[in-house]
Amino acid sequence: DAGVTQSPTHLIKTRGQQVTLRCSPKSGHDTVSWYQQALGQGPQFIFQYYEEEERQRGNFPDRFSGHQFPNYSSELNVNALLLGDSALYLCASSLGGGNQLAFFGQGTRLTVV
Amino acid sequence: DQQVKQNSPSLSVQEGRISILNCDYTNSMFDYFLWYKKYPAEGPTFLISISSIKDKNEDGRFTVFLNKSAKHLSLHIVPSQPGDSAVYFCAASATGDAGGTSYGKLTFGQGTILTVHP
Repeated sequence: DAGVTQSPTHLIKTRGQQVTLRCSPKSGHDTVSWYQQALGQGPQFIFQYYEEEERQRGNFPDRFSGHQFPNYSSELNVNALLLGDSALYLCASSLGGGNQLAFFGQGTRLTVV
Repeated sequence: DQQVKQNSPSLSVQEGRISILNCDYTNSMFDYFLWYKKYPAEGPTFLISISSIKDKNEDGRFTVFLNKSAKHLSLHIVPSQPGDSAVYFCAASATGDAGGTSYGKLTFGQGTILTVHP
């Protein structure tokens, strides 16, 4: 049984570009949350998707948007990339949004140059 | 505004001794607290949690203590093992239920790097 898979594992983008990160939740999970982890910091909540809708959102600008598909997989899109967007982006999946049984993926390391 | 703080960036402990990791929070709405462990190149893994209606929760070698009046929690690992060496994150949520589940947005601390020496 595959856990949470994220793709790509690493990528490099130029300032002003747009990026799409992908997440496949653990089998049986219906909720996907996205977090941004800057170097030396803890993960910061971006948003959570459940039943293909954004259920909760953290303090991130509208440049950050997402989507959840009928198979529960999810995408995180970031437009007009800034140098400060360089971070590890983590996806967590769970059933019904519960945190104790949430599984995190290994993350996507985004570098903006 | 850092609502969850782990003021010790690192902690070094001898194998077999106790490791104590600390966490402070400022938001009175937080009612559920979790500890996660993270190895390099892996995502965080849930370790143990505690609801605000309790002051202690124990699971094997891991015990979490909650002091609501001080807005402080700690994770005790006894005895510490070299395999416990990792980054430990404290996290809090403002949505929990009496059945023992935290939901939704997690607010994380900055993390503490624990090194357990053989």
